[in-house]
Amino acid sequence: GESVGLHLPTLSVQEGDNSIINCAYSNSASDYFIWYKQESGKGPQFIIDIRSNMDKRQGQRVTVLLNKTVKHLSLQIAATQPGDSAVYFCAEKNQAGTALIFGKGTTLSVSS
Amino acid sequence: KAGVTQTPRYLIKTRGQQVTLSCSPISGHRSVSWYQQTPGQGLQFLFEYFSETQRNKGNFPGRFSGRQFSNSRSEMNVSTLELGDSALYLCASSGQGVTEKLFFGSGTQLSVL
Repeated sequence: GESVGLHLPTLSVQEGDNSIINCAYSNSASDYFIWYKQESGKGPQFIIDIRSNMDKRQGQRVTVLLNKTVKHLSLQIAATQPGDSAVYFCAEKNQAGTALIFGKGTTLSVSS
Repeated sequence: KAGVTQTPRYLIKTRGQQVTLSCSPISGHRSVSWYQQTPGQGLQFLFEYFSETQRNKGNFPGRFSGRQFSNSRSEMNVSTLELGDSALYLCASSGQGVTEKLFFGSGTQLSVL
């Protein structure tokens, strides 16, 4: 079935380090991928998205890399800050292209 | 621009009751999607409305229903509540269509006792 998974449920880093959060997806036909951040008590917040015709896209302190060959997506956060502590979700289009399918999430903990 | 607003923030109900949740999308957004979030299953798609019509539906029983009004505000209803319906219900709006960037509200935390 369709699934979007993350390799690690938790990730702990020191303030100032670079963080890499990984995601494996199953729908090889998906042409759109997106990362969300969810802080406690809040809804998911958009971070960055990427289309399948790109391999890399950069935002402010974040970079998303897409490897279609191995169906892998990653989110890189530069100079991680305590405020980056949250649960991070990747998502892709479902087979029918009618909805976003979310992975289980990776909890990022940043210690200072 | 105001974000997506969901009311109420918290709800406590008992088994067998029904509940209605409300969502006001970002101004100008015509697509509203609903998701259920639980620790075990994560975020699961319920349904999506566009211009007052249900355009897409996830794999949930018929007890879960929704509607959208002419001003794009949406409601979802869950009838005959079960303990397993306890979850955070998230509404998201999109100005580009359901499979593009979604903007989420803070959710309604439903507890079924």
